[in-house]
Amino acid sequence: QQQVKQSPQSLIVQKGGISIINCAYENTAFDYFPWYQQFPGKGPALLIAIRPDVSEKKEGRFTISFNKSAKQFSLHIMDSQPGDSATYFCAASTKSNTGKLIFGQGTTLQVKP
Amino acid sequence: GAVVSQHPSRVICKSGTSVKIECRSLDFQATTMFWYRQFPKQSLMLMATSNEGSKATYEQGVEKDKFLINHASLTLSTLTVTSAHPEDSSFYICSARGLAGVAATDTQYFGPGTRLTVL
Repeated sequence: QQQVKQSPQSLIVQKGGISIINCAYENTAFDYFPWYQQFPGKGPALLIAIRPDVSEKKEGRFTISFNKSAKQFSLHIMDSQPGDSATYFCAASTKSNTGKLIFGQGTTLQVKP
Repeated sequence: GAVVSQHPSRVICKSGTSVKIECRSLDFQATTMFWYRQFPKQSLMLMATSNEGSKATYEQGVEKDKFLINHASLTLSTLTVTSAHPEDSSFYICSARGLAGVAATDTQYFGPGTRLTVL
């Protein structure tokens, strides 16, 4: 019940296209859902995060869509660029759990020029 | 703002030696720091959670006597891999969760990671 399932495992998108990564969870106590971007040999960097009281959050080319009833959330990268090529992790946490993050398995995104 | 540093970025050691990795929150005070381990092409695996002045809480399966964590101040946590062996070779990443100010309290900010290679 603590798992966060992420798909797809890998994704290839043409420059200018839309990249979509999906995550699903079971624990309804989760109340914070961040997305992290990680380049090879580097630590993850927070990209965008959402709470379950909103269904969508947009920051620049990055949008999180959140479906509370389906217990799913997704990351949309609009106008994908080669510089977006990285591994993306979704995560979830609860306030009562000292903020411990449960990570998805990761998605390796390649944006072709 | 909300910068976390790790030192060293890369370390190579001989089997049987101990290695200390430092994690610092540079511009904010961290209530909680986390230590992760990441194998190639895999997700982050939480090893332990530490709060300043308290003993660390280790995840199931993580040997507390092998991975010593000290959280001496609100800006510094250290991970010591004792008697390291080749199977301990991995990418170790810390994160810090802030009090207030430049760091949002619910957010974990990650360090750049430390690549440990045990020969």
